[in-house]
Amino acid sequence: DGGITQSPKYLFRKEGQNVTLSCEQNLNHDAMYWYRQDPGQGLRLIYYSQIVNDFQKGDIAEGYSVSREKKESFPLTVTSAQKNPTAFYLCASSPGTSGSAQYNEQFFGPGTRLTVL
Amino acid sequence: AQSVTQLDSHVSVSEGTPVLLRCNYSSSYSPSLFWYVQHPNKGLQLLLKYTSAATLVKGINGFEAEFKKSETSFHLTKPSAHMSDAAEYFCVVSDLTGGGNKLTFGTGTQLKVEL
Repeated sequence: DGGITQSPKYLFRKEGQNVTLSCEQNLNHDAMYWYRQDPGQGLRLIYYSQIVNDFQKGDIAEGYSVSREKKESFPLTVTSAQKNPTAFYLCASSPGTSGSAQYNEQFFGPGTRLTVL
Repeated sequence: AQSVTQLDSHVSVSEGTPVLLRCNYSSSYSPSLFWYVQHPNKGLQLLLKYTSAATLVKGINGFEAEFKKSETSFHLTKPSAHMSDAAEYFCVVSDLTGGGNKLTFGTGTQLKVEL
């Protein structure tokens, strides 16, 4: 059963702690993405990766870090430098980044809700 | 730069009546446009996408959208609402320039379906 999995579904963090959100895909997609969702603001791009061992900052990368050591995995670390980390985090993947819509459609995981205590 | 404006933050309809969710976009290039649906505390599911092949796009669950370049619009419609359609809907534009596949999301329209 192909798709994108995110874990955990709910995560609680104390102030000053780093936490890592997992994202795994078995769709053989080249590109992966992390978004943050806040009420009334839609989704905002944190980081994205087009190929293994390469990634780029999105619009709100400050306080976050990522790695892409394997094609199927793109973990996101929320560091203590992120001032307001409470949000719903969504991971996505797409076949690639070429000029055709069949490649730029993104498939989303079920999300992780992070709450800072 | 690209942008998306969803003209209504909340839409309420009665079951069995038509649905119209409005979206206007701005893009410097020929855009790819998408509508995604999100049920509470879930990920996003693709409803339909515009790829320049046809201006009227049919999606899942009876939804469709029409790309109108002259009006820079991509409104989502459904002839008859069902209770299960209650969710949040996002209009999205894709920009493949400068490398990467960056999606720009609208702020969402919450659809409420009443009996």
